[in-house]
Amino acid sequence: AQSVAQPEDQVNVAEGNPLTVKCTYSVSGNPYLFWYVQYPNRGLQFLLKYITGDNLVKGSYGFEAEFNKSQTSFHLKKPSALVSDSALYFCAVRVLPLYNFNKFYFGSGTKLNVKP
Amino acid sequence: EAGVAQSPRYKIIEKRQSVAFWCNPISGHATLYWYQQILGQGPKLLIQFQNNGVVDDSQLPKDRFSAERLKGVDSTLKIQPAKLEDSAVYLCASSLGGYTDTQYFGPGTRLTVL
Repeated sequence: AQSVAQPEDQVNVAEGNPLTVKCTYSVSGNPYLFWYVQYPNRGLQFLLKYITGDNLVKGSYGFEAEFNKSQTSFHLKKPSALVSDSALYFCAVRVLPLYNFNKFYFGSGTKLNVKP
Repeated sequence: EAGVAQSPRYKIIEKRQSVAFWCNPISGHATLYWYQQILGQGPKLLIQFQNNGVVDDSQLPKDRFSAERLKGVDSTLKIQPAKLEDSAVYLCASSLGGYTDTQYFGPGTRLTVL
């Protein structure tokens, strides 16, 4: 079965420190991977995606993510965290199963807390 | 460009009542999605439209949920009758329609069923 996992419910980091939000996936076929951020009472905002090519993807607000095929991971990173980065982060994967148009799966989310 | 619009933003109803949500996607986006996001969980796809047609409704509780997308633009999602467990945020998203295209989300409708 296709799935995406975010092993940490919450990540705490001090402002100015690097942050990592983890995501692993299990799919058959080539994955297309996405990161979204959700602020309270808001919809999901797109951060970045990996389709093909360079394993390091750069996105909005200084975020980047590294696609690692051997470890089936797509961790979100930022060199220096800001208090305003505090939010809920979702990893998502799209696959192209044989008989369906396509499927889009979200992880359960990781709450990022950045403390001053 | 304008984003995905949804209304209402909040809705409170009694169980067994009916409710409808409206979504207006980004202009030109062929694909429209409805998701259910229960508190503390990631969004779960309910139904996906490609233009007017349904391409995936495998997780839609069809005994009480229905959705339509007339003329391939706006969409409505209806729940009739509502249950307590339907309390959630209902998110609408749209994309151009290609496999690698990004989905853009609306602000969501928070439904509370009492």
